[in-house]
Amino acid sequence: EVQLVESGGGLVQPGGSLRLSCAGSGFTFSGYWMSWVRRAPGKGLEWVANINQDGSKKYHVDSVKGRFTISRDNAKNSLYLQMNSLRAEDTAFYYCARSRVAFDYLSPGQFDYWGQGSLVTVSS
Amino acid sequence: DIVVTQSPLSLPVTPGEPAAISCRSSQSLLHRNGHNYLDWYVQKPGQSPQLLIYFGSNRASGVPDRFSGSGSGTDFTLKISRVEAEDVGVYYCMQALQTPQGLTFGGGTKVEIK
Repeated sequence: EVQLVESGGGLVQPGGSLRLSCAGSGFTFSGYWMSWVRRAPGKGLEWVANINQDGSKKYHVDSVKGRFTISRDNAKNSLYLQMNSLRAEDTAFYYCARSRVAFDYLSPGQFDYWGQGSLVTVSS
Repeated sequence: DIVVTQSPLSLPVTPGEPAAISCRSSQSLLHRNGHNYLDWYVQKPGQSPQLLIYFGSNRASGVPDRFSGSGSGTDFTLKISRVEAEDVGVYYCMQALQTPQGLTFGGGTKVEIK
């Protein structure tokens, strides 16, 4: 059974840092694009970042560039999001998501499995 | 940047009746490989989002056949042939062409029962 389990969320002060983790199981983790998607309170879904199968390509939404970094460790079947210089507007549930097809280098979307979400609250 | 616009914002529906959501992209999502890189998702209350449609018109595994996607290029539609009470939630389209600016969700359409 495919599972994605996020961890690392919590309450942090503005300007602080957090590292989210997403542990994958039940599939060949190294074969898939992986993404982070967030949903802020009262807002819609926002794609945050993604990374290709071997970690050689990484993309981030403009609002987090220079502050957040996506990475992965295929040996540990894990995805990460390092979040620095956090702002109140980063408060959201953060989901990791897997793209549908293994070894498909053209299709970074098609998120067929999602984690349960990890809440990040940025507040003083 | 590719901008994705959904309408309507809110959609009250009667069970058993059809429903349709529109999604428009500021740039064509038709790749030279013939696929439209447009996904549809729903986030039901208290749940993580789930994939409904990919490549504009392909139903994801396990999705009931009352859901269908159509369109090409910049204009897409998600249709529910007969709405059921369990279909309430927020529906999103997402352009899935990888650009340096990444992927983009539409603003969402809240489907609720009248």
